[in-house]
Amino acid sequence: SQQGEEDPQALSIQEGENATMNCSYKTSINNLQWYRQNSGRGLVHLILIRSNEREKHSGRLRVTLDTSKKSSSLLITASRAADTASYFCATTPGGGADGLTFGKGTHLIIQP
Amino acid sequence: NAGVMQNPRHLVRRRGQEARLRCSPMKGHSHVYWYRQLPEEGLKFMVYLQKENIIDESGMPKERFSAEFPKEGPSILRIQQVVRGDSAAYFCASSPPGRGGTEAFFGQGTRLTVV
Repeated sequence: SQQGEEDPQALSIQEGENATMNCSYKTSINNLQWYRQNSGRGLVHLILIRSNEREKHSGRLRVTLDTSKKSSSLLITASRAADTASYFCATTPGGGADGLTFGKGTHLIIQP
Repeated sequence: NAGVMQNPRHLVRRRGQEARLRCSPMKGHSHVYWYRQLPEEGLKFMVYLQKENIIDESGMPKERFSAEFPKEGPSILRIQQVVRGDSAAYFCASSPPGRGGTEAFFGQGTRLTVV
């Protein structure tokens, strides 16, 4: 089964509102990353949060990590139409293994 | 510094033919990862390679699929005797030396269609 599971699967909000997406995972991790994928394009790395960090900011993005609950959230503030995309969380397992494991993603639609 | 380059962007193959997907990592990156994305799904890890070595191929189907990352040239994902179920987007990512999940940079993907 997928290591990362995003929730919700789809989200539609008005431009200017905040968008929150959640990700849950099953095993211990070294870090968790969020990626964006515009339709038909490759993935773009948004932010990485390490297992010993609880919160991280980058521009309009805010990521939290709760290792006790094995969950993370991505908050996009003051959303714009250009934020319309699919958002994936990806985890790197603990134990020194490499290779990212992705969830199925949250499809975010920003209504103008 | 050019990003991760994948080619071709689109590939159409008839059932039974071979598909070769190429990935040139970013300059200075020695780690290459291949992922497959089925329609409406997230990416699934296939294989992790370093130069001339396969480090982890736990996500690769046991038959028909192979990957290499030679000393010189791009990484190649090869699918022999393709079937309709192989139709998907295949993404390559690269990262610099180091462990612990350094940020990976993705290519634009190759969309394989088997007809």
